Amino acid sequence: DQQVKQNSPSLSVQEGRISILNCDYTNSMFDYFLWYKKYPAEGPTFLISISSIKDKNEDGRFTVFLNKSAKHLSLHIVPSQPGDSAVYFCAAGYTGGFKTIFGAGTRLFVKA
Amino acid sequence: SQTIHQWPATLVQPVGSPLSLECTVEGTSNPNLYWYRQAAGRGLQLLFYSVGIGQISSEVPQNLSASRPQDRQFILSSKKLLLSDSGFYLCASHRGSFNTGELFFGEGSRLTVL
Repeated sequence: DQQVKQNSPSLSVQEGRISILNCDYTNSMFDYFLWYKKYPAEGPTFLISISSIKDKNEDGRFTVFLNKSAKHLSLHIVPSQPGDSAVYFCAAGYTGGFKTIFGAGTRLFVKA
Repeated sequence: SQTIHQWPATLVQPVGSPLSLECTVEGTSNPNLYWYRQAAGRGLQLLFYSVGIGQISSEVPQNLSASRPQDRQFILSSKKLLLSDSGFYLCASHRGSFNTGELFFGEGSRLTVL
């Protein structure tokens, strides 16, 4: 049962343009959502998160949007840089729970 | 700051052999600890989590087991490895005392079962 879904396995973007990574979830109990970035042979690193009481959270070039009615969130990277090339995981959980559930990941390629 | 050490970093084992992957956490106390696996071309699958010494919750029925003998030590084991156990194993700890989902990961252990 995939509670967190990232339907695009890969995305290619030109340097300087916007990267938009999408994520859908099915569990209505989720009340926090996160994005992680992962380079090959390394552990994922936390990027940005959003609580269900918000619909937008911004941190520098990274912005996460949450649409609760659609059970959808997205990560925007503006402007995209070659160093952003990595696998991005969407994750979710709920307050009081102990588990963070991850999606399958989207591999982002930023071309110089 | 928090640090997670995993070893070995790389392991090649024959089918049917035992496994022991270790994880130790520094810079925090009484953390929730997690084992995730990333199989080739797949996402991060939660295998086990632990909220305290000796407390293990299993997420997926499988050929693996976990133990937490000390507050900051988490061990992943198998008595007999299968080919399907190959993957990149990640130990993680959540940041702070309240589970907000923000996890801090170790460097990972790559297991190849032949």
